[in-house]
Amino acid sequence: DADVTQTPRNRITKTGKRIMLECSQTKGHDRMYWYRQDPGLGLRLIYYSFDVKDINKGEISDGYSVSRQAQAKFSLSLESAIPNQTALYFCATKPGTGLNTEAFFGQGTRLTVV
Amino acid sequence: AQKVTQAQTEISVVEKEDVTLDCVYETRDTTYYLFWYKQPPSGELVFLIRRNSFDEQNEISGRYSWNFQKSTSSFNFTITASQVVDSAVYFCAYSGAGSYQLTFGKGTKLSVIP
Repeated sequence: DADVTQTPRNRITKTGKRIMLECSQTKGHDRMYWYRQDPGLGLRLIYYSFDVKDINKGEISDGYSVSRQAQAKFSLSLESAIPNQTALYFCATKPGTGLNTEAFFGQGTRLTVV
Repeated sequence: AQKVTQAQTEISVVEKEDVTLDCVYETRDTTYYLFWYKQPPSGELVFLIRRNSFDEQNEISGRYSWNFQKSTSSFNFTITASQVVDSAVYFCAYSGAGSYQLTFGKGTKLSVIP
């Protein structure tokens, strides 16, 4: 099983619908992140969390919200999806200690808003 | 703010050619970390290497090598004798001390033609 699991892997939704993307990890890491990837733009940070009581906005948080239900779970919600939120979404984790560790990514969720 | 530039949007090479992917960063931090990730057509992000700002030693891993030069703020990635399986999007990323976030470049899409 993957250390960082994202569900669903693919989703098509209609404009205006609420949708939740889920991320769970078995690595025991404190830090969790949500990124979105758009062609030609790389990965941009939406939200991040250092523990269940700590939520921080990233570069592009407008239109998104998150919930850290437990150390292992970090969900991303689109309250009212719009077509320009069509993208590939990645969840990532990092240990709580050590600055020089890499981030571990889930396999991505491809979201299409029609 | 930190910035990572991958000026090469797309590169095509013929199999067995060598190819270098460029990465230039901007920072005022004295301590920072640099990373390379590979994203094959299947979409997942694969960690390749990390380097801290105090370690300018070049690194070689099989056909892969990395050249880190603080004087030019560059962290370039060379693939020797490229293979079709090297076809992917490659991302350079930066993390500053105390930041705990990864800032990504926009990626370079490498196509290796048989």
